[in-house]
Amino acid sequence: NAGVTQTPKFRVLKTGQSMTLLCAQDMNHEYMYWYRQDPGMGLRLIHYSVGEGTTAKGEVPDGYNVSRLKKQNFLLGLESAAPSQTSVYFCASSYPPGTGNTIYFGEGSWLTVV
Amino acid sequence: DAKTTQPTSMDCAEGRAANLPCNHSTISGNEYVYWYRQIHSQGPQYIIHGLKNNETNEMASLIITEDRKSSTLILPHATLRDTAVYYCIVRVASSGANSKLTFGKGITLSVRP
Repeated sequence: NAGVTQTPKFRVLKTGQSMTLLCAQDMNHEYMYWYRQDPGMGLRLIHYSVGEGTTAKGEVPDGYNVSRLKKQNFLLGLESAAPSQTSVYFCASSYPPGTGNTIYFGEGSWLTVV
Repeated sequence: DAKTTQPTSMDCAEGRAANLPCNHSTISGNEYVYWYRQIHSQGPQYIIHGLKNNETNEMASLIITEDRKSSTLILPHATLRDTAVYYCIVRVASSGANSKLTFGKGITLSVRP
């Protein structure tokens, strides 16, 4: 059981380039999330999805787009990368929260924009 | 979601119990208290959660006050590998509601030999 898998784990981009981070989960979870974490700070929510075909903005959505075409995958896109998007990105997934279900996180994707 | 307040840091001796406090005075009746930890920039790791009763699992115990305005995470026998940032989070549990986790800065626990 792989849980939540993120690819790639490391990437260096030049300013203005585009890229997509892929998150895959094998737990049949409805909810998926993308967070970013900057040095010395807690995680901040970028976008999330409560089901296949649906997405919503989180706390810091600007500069990012997401898609949830398949239940098991949640893609985070950067159309024109900026140095301010240098960060560690974490994907997470969970069942609906009705009974206090746990949210599971991936191991992170380190992105550097130069 | 209600906000939480945690001390910035604390330390404890290896083998001793680590008691990590959290204040969540504005918690609502349908909000759970969750604890996660993050070791050296790894992905956050779930520890435990509870609604109003005390909870215990193989990792820790969670003590929630009767008025639910605060809680304490207890690591009964801390080891060096427990050195991490610990996040106390409250999360709405109503079915159908969006249910993101809102992370603060957490408390840095340092376990000393």
